[in-house]
Amino acid sequence: AQSVAQPEDQVNVAEGNPLTVKCTYSVSGNPYLFWYVQYPNRGLQFLLKYITGDNLVKGSYGFEAEFNKSQTSFHLKKPSALVSDSALYFCAVRDGSYGQNFVFGPGTRLSVLP
Amino acid sequence: DAMVIQNPRYQVTQFGKPVTLSCSQTLNHNVMYWYQQKSSQAPKLLFHYYDKDFNNEADTPDNFQSRRPNTSFCFLDIRSPGLGDAAMYLCATSRTMGNEQFFGPGTRLTVL
Repeated sequence: AQSVAQPEDQVNVAEGNPLTVKCTYSVSGNPYLFWYVQYPNRGLQFLLKYITGDNLVKGSYGFEAEFNKSQTSFHLKKPSALVSDSALYFCAVRDGSYGQNFVFGPGTRLSVLP
Repeated sequence: DAMVIQNPRYQVTQFGKPVTLSCSQTLNHNVMYWYQQKSSQAPKLLFHYYDKDFNNEADTPDNFQSRRPNTSFCFLDIRSPGLGDAAMYLCATSRTMGNEQFFGPGTRLTVL
């Protein structure tokens, strides 16, 4: 079975500092990995995905994520955080080899302090 | 702009009174999903349609039903809402299984 862990419920970072939101996963086959962001009372917005290819994936709003197969991780990063980045972030995984649906992680609340 | 639209954005119903939530898409995607999300938790998949093929998650209560009359529209019917069904309901679409999903803004359901 596939699963996703986001070990931090909350991440606080000062504006202008780099941010990292952690995600680790477990799948039997090839992982399809995604990051979504959710602002209050809104649906989820797609940020980026890794299916295959370059381990460093660049996405919307200056975010990027690095796929690390040996550590089974897909951490979300941004070089310089903005106050407007404050939101709830979800990592999701799908086992590409077995056609399963997405499994979402529990979410990490990011607060960027001015 | 292509998008996923959910109506209404806010729905109030009474305990046991049936309610229908609506989702439409202009993306012409094959797959439509319904999720339940409580209190900033992870969205929980209720069911999805791949074209007309309905796929129910094993732990989705029978109280929840869905209809997809055509490619563009999908409905979530809650036959007898309980207090525990108060949540945000999210509709999403994807071109095919495994592609990124595009979410609507959600409908927040309150059960009195």
